[in-house]
Amino acid sequence: GQQLNQSPQSMFIQEGEDVSMNCTSSSIFNTWLWYKQDPGEGPVLLIALYKAGELTSNGRLTAQFGITRKDSFLNISASIPSDVGIYFCAGQLVGGSQGNLIFGKGTKLSVKP
Amino acid sequence: ETGVTQTPRHLVMGMTNKKSLKCEQHLGHNAMYWYKQSAKKPLELMFVYNFKEQTENNSVPSRFSPECPNSSHLFLHLHTLQPEDSALYLCASSLSTGLRREIGELFFGEGSRLTVL
Repeated sequence: GQQLNQSPQSMFIQEGEDVSMNCTSSSIFNTWLWYKQDPGEGPVLLIALYKAGELTSNGRLTAQFGITRKDSFLNISASIPSDVGIYFCAGQLVGGSQGNLIFGKGTKLSVKP
Repeated sequence: ETGVTQTPRHLVMGMTNKKSLKCEQHLGHNAMYWYKQSAKKPLELMFVYNFKEQTENNSVPSRFSPECPNSSHLFLHLHTLQPEDSALYLCASSLSTGLRREIGELFFGEGSRLTVL
């Protein structure tokens, strides 16, 4: 099946540092979504991207839809302890069916105060 | 308070039991989904309901039976499950025009943690 390669798998950073994670695929996507999941909770939507090249911010978070439509990245600036969690990218393939998002395996972020 | 509510949050059942998971969305959405989240694996889409009609069954075993009585409620009926079915089951909803295959933005519930003994 289709796969998204999300990296890194985990990150251990100091509070205040910037964070960058990305997802890549050999397939073309028409939508990219970034989610955060806290332990014992469901994923929460952070940013949605719908056009190639689109750059969108949500507070300290910035995400971009790659020009090739095969990748996306998420940056977090000046990390704080509450940024801890697992971040997932998700994309809908061109021609994909409704709801059939392809999810990455997640990036687990740990922030040391 | 989340716009998508799932009950129960935790469920332990034997392989011969019959149980159901419930999902309710208060967002006015018209599409609802069941996803399965297992350790070390990406989220897997199980079922999609659009305007109460099932539009996607992602090759899910028949021991999982969904029911969508209206656009706000979604159930997942479980029977004769296997230990490998233990996972976090996530319900999600989105606003769909139903006219084309756009994704909309999925809003997830907090999940039901299922353990099959």
